[in-house]
Order: sequence, then structure tokens, then C-alpha cells
Amino acid sequence: EPEVTQTPSHQVTQMGQEVILRCVPISNHLYFYWYRQILGQKVEFLVSFYNNEISEKSEIFDDQFSVERPDGSNFTLKIRSTKLEDSAMYFCASGGTSLGEKLFFGSGTQLSVL
Amino acid sequence: TQLLEQSPQFLSIQEGENLTVYCNSSSVFSSLQWYRQEPGEGPVLLVTVVTGGEVKKLKRLTFQFGDARKDSSLHITAAQPGDTGLYLCAGKYNAGNMLTFGGGTRLMVKP
Repeated sequence: EPEVTQTPSHQVTQMGQEVILRCVPISNHLYFYWYRQILGQKVEFLVSFYNNEISEKSEIFDDQFSVERPDGSNFTLKIRSTKLEDSAMYFCASGGTSLGEKLFFGSGTQLSVL
Repeated sequence: TQLLEQSPQFLSIQEGENLTVYCNSSSVFSSLQWYRQEPGEGPVLLVTVVTGGEVKKLKRLTFQFGDARKDSSLHITAAQPGDTGLYLCAGKYNAGNMLTFGGGTRLMVKP
């Protein structure tokens, strides 16, 4: 079965540093998402992306966050100046060719901000 | 802010027993999904329910959507150790694709 690939699996960074989390969605999918899960808490929606623009974003997704699909295959999440509270597991997900189709989640990137 | 509550948070049972996990909200869902998540992996979709009163079966798993579309349940018959894992419900409250997740039920089935 096709899968969503995320790299790196673990990222450790210093507070204030920029990080870029990378995702390769399933190749014919058009809808892309980032979710995060802080240890011991619920999975939380960050942002959805379709047709090269953000379609929805949550209150968490402030000016420190940005997403990009730079080359038609990768989908990235950038955090400009990381904070301690950004430490979490970040999941990328992709969905098919129409809204409401099944979402496929990647295995996540564990981000640790020190 | 919509809240989605799952119960119980933890469940430890013996192989062969039946169990039910509940997912409740004060708001109406446009659709609701159940996921299973293994350690170190992302959630994997089990089922989507859309219509109030809908019942879907996946082998020994039975998913029910409440008539008012505010609650759902997952029932597992004759649980097996392979059912051990974290079960998450996630709802959509509007026409978009944003999922609101519950806190999960961590199930352990002992042989």
C-alpha cells in the first residue's frame, strides 16, 4: 500500500532555531495536512493545504509556522523560531483527489526543542 | 472550540472478552472516523461513519454512529492480543477536512 514518508524521524534543536520537517505525500494525492501530538495530549490539527495554498489552519498555526510544497513532491512544515512548547510529534497526512477521502498519516517526526 | 471525549482512557481485559469504547461530543459531527495508532506510527483509519444511526462492521469490530450524530461507539467482540493498541476517534464538524481528535483509549488485551 502506498505510504506517506516523513523525515527526519527525530529532530533535536535549540530554542530559537529554525526547523524544517519534511513529508513526501502519496503521489496522486491533492490534499495535505500537518497535525501534531504533544506527549500525553490529543492529536491536534495544524493546517491543511490544497492547490498550493492553505485551505484551513488552527489557532496553533501562528506566524512562526509556514508550509510549502516546493517541488510537487515534498510538503514541508517550517517553524521559524522554535519554542520549548513546540516539542511534539508532528504528523503529515495526505488525502486523495476529493475532499473527504481517506487520510493517510505518516509515521511522524519527533521534534525536541531544548 | 469543539471537544470530543473518549472513554475509557485505559482498558485492560483478557483475551476473549468483549469491550466497548465511547466517543462523545456536545456538537454534531458531519462525519466521524475511528483510527488505530501503534507506538511510533501515525494513526491508521479503521472506518468512517457519516449517517446518524449508521452501523459498520469490520470483522470483530462494530462501529455505531449515534442518531443525533453527537456520539459513536466501537465494540470489539472476543478481543485478541493483536487488538492491543491506541484507538482514536476523530470528528469533522463542518464541510472542511479538519479533524478533531479524542484523547484515545489505550487497550491492552492479555492472553
